[in-house]
Amino acid sequence: DAGITQSPRYKITETGRQVTLMCHQTWSHSYMFWYRQDLGHGLRLIYYSAAADITDKGEVPDGYVVSRSKTENFPLTLESATRSQTSVYFCASSEGGPPYNEQFFGPGTRLTVL
Amino acid sequence: SQKIEQNSEALNIQEGKTATLTCNYTNYSPAYLQWYRQDPGRGPVFLLLIRENEKEKRKERLKVTFDTTLKQSLFHITASQPADSATYLCALDIFRNQGGKLIFGQGTELSVKP
Repeated sequence: DAGITQSPRYKITETGRQVTLMCHQTWSHSYMFWYRQDLGHGLRLIYYSAAADITDKGEVPDGYVVSRSKTENFPLTLESATRSQTSVYFCASSEGGPPYNEQFFGPGTRLTVL
Repeated sequence: SQKIEQNSEALNIQEGKTATLTCNYTNYSPAYLQWYRQDPGRGPVFLLLIRENEKEKRKERLKVTFDTTLKQSLFHITASQPADSATYLCALDIFRNQGGKLIFGQGTELSVKP
C-alpha cells in the first residue's frame, strides 16, 4: 500500500516492558519523524531522521530509542515503558529541506501503559 | 521562553461565516509556517505553507497571512461548512531549514454549525 503506515494502531502494555512502534513509508522520503500528542501539549517531536543511519533527538527524547537501517522504516522503541509515556504517537515523513516540503503523517498509534 | 500559541478556546461559528484562527509565536524567526488540519482519531493533514517573505497565501476557501513583525499568522476559512469542523494546527520551522523539523502549536478546535 502506498503512503505511510503505523503498527500497531492500539497497544496496551505494562510499566517496565519494552515496546516497539513501527512506521513504514513508501515514498522514499529522506526525512522521518516521531511525535507524541498529549492533551495540553499538542504535538511534540521525539526523534527525527534525515536519512538511513542518521537520527537525532527532538524535544522529548528521554526514554525512547530509534533506528533507521532502511529508508522506508523508522521504528520507535520504548525501552522500559512508564505511565507518562501513555500517549498517541504519530510518525511522519517529508522530503525535507527546501523547498520546505510538508510532512505526511501516519494514522497514529494509541499507547496505554498500565 | 519560546512559545507558540493558538486560540486556546474552541471556535464555534455558523455555516457560511468566515472562521479566523490565530497563531502567535515568540522568540522564533521561522523560515516558514505551515497549517495542518486534524480530524479526531487521525493524523494531521497539510493544508498550506507560507514563507517568511510572503504576506499572504490562498488556496480555494483558505487564506493564510504571515506577519513576521507581529510574529503572527492568521488562518481564514471563508464560506465555512460543517465539514470544516476539525482541529487546526500551526507549525513553525524554527530551525531555519534544518531538515524540515517543525514545532507545532496546540491547535484550535473549530466547530461549524449548520
